Formats: sequence, structure tokens, C-alpha cells
Amino acid sequence: EPEVTQTPSHQVTQMGQEVILRCVPISNHLYFYWYRQILGQKVEFLVSFYNNEISEKSEIFDDQFSVERPDGSNFTLKIRSTKLEDSAMYFCASSLSINTGELFFGEGSRLTVL
Amino acid sequence: EDQVTQSPEALRLQEGESSSLNCSYTVSGLRGLFWYRQDPGKGPEFLFTLYSAGEEKEKERLKATLTKKESFLHITAPKPEDSATYLCAVQAGSSGNTPLVFGKGTRLSVIA
Repeated sequence: EPEVTQTPSHQVTQMGQEVILRCVPISNHLYFYWYRQILGQKVEFLVSFYNNEISEKSEIFDDQFSVERPDGSNFTLKIRSTKLEDSAMYFCASSLSINTGELFFGEGSRLTVL
Repeated sequence: EDQVTQSPEALRLQEGESSSLNCSYTVSGLRGLFWYRQDPGKGPEFLFTLYSAGEEKEKERLKATLTKKESFLHITAPKPEDSATYLCAVQAGSSGNTPLVFGKGTRLSVIA
């Protein structure tokens, strides 16, 4: 069964360092997303991406964040200068259609900022 | 602002003891309501989509229903493997581009 894969599963970094989280969406999906979940909190939308550009972004997704699809398979989230409050589980998701809430999520990348 | 509130926060059931989880929502024009299951340390797994009041969806021991203000996830004769956090999410607006807004979830434990 096709799945969304994310790397790394866990990353520990120092405050102020750059972090890149990687995702391989399901191959025939066209829409890609990043969500995050701070421990004990809700799953929160960060950004959606389609046709090589950002479709929607939340208030969380400020200038410190960027996304890229560098090739035909990877989808990355970069945090330029991490803050303590960026510590969270980051989930990549993909979907076949924009007219759906049926997202396929990866297992997540846990980011710990010290 | 679109809001999703789930109750209870946690629920402990004996195996075979049926119950319901609640998801109340406030949204400007519901496009769809979605139920997901999340196991510890994993990403959410899609369960159901509901689009209009009165709609019902079933999958094994789970049945989701929708009214104009809330949705219920009914669990019939649960088994320990049903233990997970169940998330409710809404998508608002006329465009399919609006992101999902999630509730905090209900953490279900089913004891053998």
C-alpha cells in the first residue's frame, strides 16, 4: 500500500540552527501539506503546496519557514533559525485532489529544539 | 474563526462496551467533516468524510453521523485494538483549498 514517508524520524537541534525535514508523498498525489502537532495540542495546518507553489499558508508559517519540491519525489520543509517553540511533531501529508479532506499522513518527524 | 471541540478528552471502556465520541463545530459554511484515527507516535489515519446533516458512514465497529452542529463517532462492541486518539476535523468555505481545522481529539482506551 502506498504511503507517505518522512525523514528524519527525530531531530535534535540547537536554537538558531537551520533544519530541513523531508517527505516523499504518494507518487500520484498532486497536493502536499505540512501540519504540526505540539505535544498535547491540536494538529495545526502550516502550508499546502500544489503545482510548485504555495496554495495556502497559516499564520504560523512565517518567513522562517519555507517549502520546496526540489525534484519529482521529495517535498521539504525548512526552518531557517529554529526557536524553542518550534519543538513539535511535523507531519507531511498528500492528497490526490484538493476537493477532499482525505489526507494521507506520514508518521511524522519529531523536532526537538534545545 | 472556525472551531472544533471534542468530548470527552479521554474515555476508558471495557471490551464490548459501546459508546459515542462527540465533535462540536463552529464553521462558516461546512464543506466537509472528517474523522481520523491517530495511534501514539504516528500520523493521523483517515476514517470518514461527512458532507451534510443526516449523513452516516460505517466501517467495521465505527459509525460516524453528522448534524448541523455536531458529529458523533459511535463505537459498537469495541476491542482493545480500537484504542487510539480519534480526531475530528472540518473544512470550511466554498473553495476546496481551505485547510483542515482539527480538534484536540478523544483518547480512547479499550480494556480487555
